[in-house]
Amino acid sequence: AQSVAQPEDQVNVAEGNPLTVKCTYSVSGNPYLFWYVQYPNRGLQFLLKYITGDNLVKGSYGFEAEFNKSQTSYHLKKPSALVSDSALYFCAVREGTGYSSASKIIFGSGTRLSIRP
Amino acid sequence: DAGVIQSPRHEVTEMGQEVTLRCKPISGHNSLFWYRQTMMRGLELLIYFNNNVPIDDSGMPEDRFSAKMPNASFSTLKIQPSEPRDSAVYFCASTPQGSTDTQYFGPGTRLTVL
Repeated sequence: AQSVAQPEDQVNVAEGNPLTVKCTYSVSGNPYLFWYVQYPNRGLQFLLKYITGDNLVKGSYGFEAEFNKSQTSYHLKKPSALVSDSALYFCAVREGTGYSSASKIIFGSGTRLSIRP
Repeated sequence: DAGVIQSPRHEVTEMGQEVTLRCKPISGHNSLFWYRQTMMRGLELLIYFNNNVPIDDSGMPEDRFSAKMPNASFSTLKIQPSEPRDSAVYFCASTPQGSTDTQYFGPGTRLTVL
C-alpha cells in the first residue's frame, strides 16, 4: 500500500532563511506525489505535484519540491522563508496509477511550519 | 468560480441528534471526497465518489455515518445519531477528471457534539 511519512511535527525557521519540510514515501510503481498547505481555519490548498519529468518541481508562492527516487523522498523547499509561510503542510501520495478516474490520496500527518520574524 | 461550497460552516448539536453536512463541488468536477480532521487522528478520508458513484467507503467509521451524492452538484454526509467523539472539522474536496488528482478543498464544517 502507498504511504507517506513526515518525520517532523514542527519546523522553525527565521524569516529570510531557507526552509525544508521533509517527506518520504513508499509506493509500488511510479509515485504521484503532492504537497498541500493549510492555513488556520481553512481547507487544504494544492501547492505542487510530481508525476514525471524533472526532479525539481516549482510551485506556487516560491515553493519547490525535490523528488529523489533513490532516497524515496519528496522534500518541500523554499530559498527564503516569509512569516506568511507559517502554516500546516501536508505531503500526499496517490494510490493507484492511470488517468481514468480519481483515486484515493493518502495524506501524511502534517508538519507545522513556523517562521519567526 | 466559487470553489467548493460547504454548509453549514459551524454546527453545534447535542449527542444523539442527527447531523447533515452538505457539499457542492466545483462545476464540472466528477470526483468528490469527504475527509475528517482532528488533532488526534489528522486528516482521514471517509468516502469518495466518482461520477456520483461511491467508490471507497472504507474510511467511514461506523454505520452511524452515511454519505450520498444524488447528482453531480450535491453531496451530503449524515451522522445519526451523533456522539461527542464525532466532533471534528469535516472537509469536502472535488477533482476534475484527468487532473491526476489535484484536489480542491472546501472551507470545512466545524462540528461540535455536546
